[in-house]
Amino acid sequence: DQQVKQNSPSLSVQEGRISILNCDYTNSMFDYFLWYKKYPAEGPTFLISISSIKDKNEDGRFTVFLNKSAKHLSLHIVPSQPGDSAVYFCAARALNTGNQFYFGTGTSLTVIP
Amino acid sequence: SQTIHQWPATLVQPVGSPLSLECTVEGTSNPNLYWYRQAAGRGLQLLFYSVGIGQISSEVPQNLSASRPQDRQFILSSKKLLLSDSGFYLCAWSVQPNSNQPQHFGDGTRLSIL
Repeated sequence: DQQVKQNSPSLSVQEGRISILNCDYTNSMFDYFLWYKKYPAEGPTFLISISSIKDKNEDGRFTVFLNKSAKHLSLHIVPSQPGDSAVYFCAARALNTGNQFYFGTGTSLTVIP
Repeated sequence: SQTIHQWPATLVQPVGSPLSLECTVEGTSNPNLYWYRQAAGRGLQLLFYSVGIGQISSEVPQNLSASRPQDRQFILSSKKLLLSDSGFYLCAWSVQPNSNQPQHFGDGTRLSIL
């Protein structure tokens, strides 16, 4: 049962434009959400996170939005750069299950110069 | 600062051979430890996690096993590899007690079964 879903396997964006990556989840007990960036043959790198008590968290070019009523999470990258080309995973955790992080299947972002 | 080491980076093994992948964490105590597998074109599948020495939780029935002989050491093993065990294996750690802190991943092991 996939509790975290990324329905777009790939996304292409022109350099300088906004990239929007989406993620949906089903478990209303999730209280902590994360985005990871992964290059081929490397481990995922933590990018940005958000607690369920917030609806927005910003770090430089990266902003994560959380819509709890819709159970939807999004990552905005502005402006997009060629170095942002990677696979992006969203993840979530429920504090009452403590130790498990649930990952989506990833979205491959290509930023076209 | 905390670091996580995972080795080997790549491994080619014949079907039916044993497996041992090792992961160690430095700079933190009593971490949660995790093994994931990423099959080609797919997401991250949690295989095992551990909250302490000798404490292993298995998420997916398979011919793999995990052990935690020391606080910061996590080992993934198999007695007889299958073709379907091919994939990219990732070790990760997170802090305890549970708080809003991310998991941190190693660089992964590319396992190819022939």
